[in-house]
This record gives sequence, C-alpha cells and structure tokens, in this order.
Amino acid sequence: DAKTTQPPSMDCAEGRAANLPCNHSTISGNEYVYWYRQIHSQGPQYIIHGLKNNETNEMASLIITEDRKSSTLILPHATLRDTAVYYCIARLRFNTNAGKSTFGDGTTLTVKP
Amino acid sequence: DTGVSQNPRHKITKRGQNVTFRCDPISEHNRLYWYRQTLGQGPEFLTYFQNEAQLEKSRLLSDRFSAERPKGSFSTLEIQRTEQGDSAMYLCASSLLGQAGNTGELFFGEGSRLTVL
Repeated sequence: DAKTTQPPSMDCAEGRAANLPCNHSTISGNEYVYWYRQIHSQGPQYIIHGLKNNETNEMASLIITEDRKSSTLILPHATLRDTAVYYCIARLRFNTNAGKSTFGDGTTLTVKP
Repeated sequence: DTGVSQNPRHKITKRGQNVTFRCDPISEHNRLYWYRQTLGQGPEFLTYFQNEAQLEKSRLLSDRFSAERPKGSFSTLEIQRTEQGDSAMYLCASSLLGQAGNTGELFFGEGSRLTVL
C-alpha cells in the first residue's frame, strides 16, 4: 500500500460540507484510493473508492487530483452522526495482497451543532 | 443480519490465560482478515485467509497467536498466555475477490474487545 497522510483532526458545522484531505504522493498507477470511517466502538465502514475519476455515491463524493497524489472526501451536508474517524487507504484492488490494507491513524472529524 | 459477526464482543481475562475469538464472515465471501486496534490507533493487519488457506501473517502475530479457518467459513483467533499488551480490539473483516464488478472492499464486524488484567 502507498503511504497516506491525513490531518489528525478536523471540525465541521452541522449542515455544512466536510472536506477531508488525504495525501498519497507515492501512489502507483494501479492503486485505488479507498475511504472508510469508524464510529466509536464499531468496526470500520466502507464509504467510497476511486482510481482516477471523481466518484459519488449516496454517502459521499471523492475528488482525486489529476496527478493522483492527493484526494478529498466530501460529506456534502454533515450531520452529528458523521462524527467519526475517517481513514484514507491507497491499495491494489485485485491482487493477492489486496486484503492487507494499511489504515494509518486517520482523521477524527467532529461535527458540531 | 447477514453482516460479519464476531464473538464474544467483550472478554476480560487474567494474564496468562488463553482466549479465543470467533468470526463469522458474510457467507459468500472467500477472504477473511484479522486486524488489531489499540486506543487512538488505526487497525493493524494481523493475518488473512483465502478460503481455508492462511496466505499472510504480520510480524505482529507472535507465536502466541494462532488463527484458523478450517472449512473456509468461520475463523478463530486464539491468543495463548495472554499479556497485558494484548489488550486491544480484535477486528474481523471479509471480502469477495474474483467476481467481476465487485468493489473488493472490506466488510468489518463490530470487533471483540480484549482486556487483560
């Protein structure tokens, strides 16, 4: 897995967009960017992933820079339930080592009323 | 509920005792992973299986740790002669590889929290 760097913590006002950055400057061409989040005392939950193009699903949007060295997870209208630790991972999608994801320490997002 | 199930959710034991955790993955998933997570840290990879074969073990998995997935379905993680440093959340995850179109993401269970006194 490519090394990823995330800020340790961020705050966001409820109802506003939360933009969580991730640097992955050593990402290789066949590594995807995955985002997970972990709400206190629960297991991590998959959010979204992408390779080159921006992606959107019902939970979030993922913006990947053209050089793929960084990405931003966007929660368009953050709620208090989005308070969690968010992990950015760069890993191969279909490979014998694809399970060995390196999580890092993530970004603790606190959504405030 | 057809998600990943882990038991027990909490275990308190005395140093030196053996403990065993069980993980039941999503039924059609062929890959199963164990991670360990200590307070304030992200999950750390321990080992993973494809079907019943254990394909990789982290150096974190000392000889006191053993994991099995005997029939390619559920898995157990045993810790022998527990130490206080083993206190952590043990997370299990499963995924489905090999099927075109699937996203390959990991589905995690709720974890088993171990406290060694």
